Amino acid sequence: DAMVIQNPRYQVTQFGKPVTLSCSQTLNHNVMYWYQQKSSQAPKLLFHYYDKDFNNEADTPDNFQSRRPNTSFCFLDIRSPGLGDTAMYLCATSRDRAGNRIITVEQYFGPGTRLTVT
Amino acid sequence: GQQLNQSPQSMFIQEGEDVSMNCTSSSIFNTWLWYKQDPGEGPVLLIALYKAGELTSNGRLTAQFGTTRKDSFLNISASIPSDVGIYFCAGGKKLTFGTGTRLTIIP
Repeated sequence: DAMVIQNPRYQVTQFGKPVTLSCSQTLNHNVMYWYQQKSSQAPKLLFHYYDKDFNNEADTPDNFQSRRPNTSFCFLDIRSPGLGDTAMYLCATSRDRAGNRIITVEQYFGPGTRLTVT
Repeated sequence: GQQLNQSPQSMFIQEGEDVSMNCTSSSIFNTWLWYKQDPGEGPVLLIALYKAGELTSNGRLTAQFGTTRKDSFLNISASIPSDVGIYFCAGGKKLTFGTGTRLTIIP
């Protein structure tokens, strides 16, 4: 079955120690997203890739970076995690068929990586 | 920025009851999506709405795109234990998520 896969599902890292979360998809979607979801809150968009074009949200901290080496894979790098970065990190994908660069099309989420910073 | 308010914040119902929840936006949307999230998992897309006034069903779930384009509604009929979770509406140009409705089924 086509799907969005995230690894690892659980990650514990120390304060200030860089961490990388990965996402892969077999849907062949051209848009990939990273969201941060803190406990009892809604997902919050960090950034997205439209094909190879990176789009950062204005309020995403510089501490968060992303890489998309190919259509299938996307990585979230947290350079110096703080205690406040403890959260669920969700990857999502969508296909923008119209080419209008509108990202409100249906997004499909992975199972998430729960990150704990100690 | 866009704000989405969902109500109610939480619901406690008995198995077999029908459920209604809604979402309102401070601005006009062209698309409304409804997701369900189980604990420790990612949101799962339930229904997508693309046209004002549209009424769409997915099994026991029915969602409507409000005619004002600023609201949407989700109904669940004859609830079952696996309906437990958090339901999010989402929409807008950058897929803003609503505040969520937590559904609990009382034994």
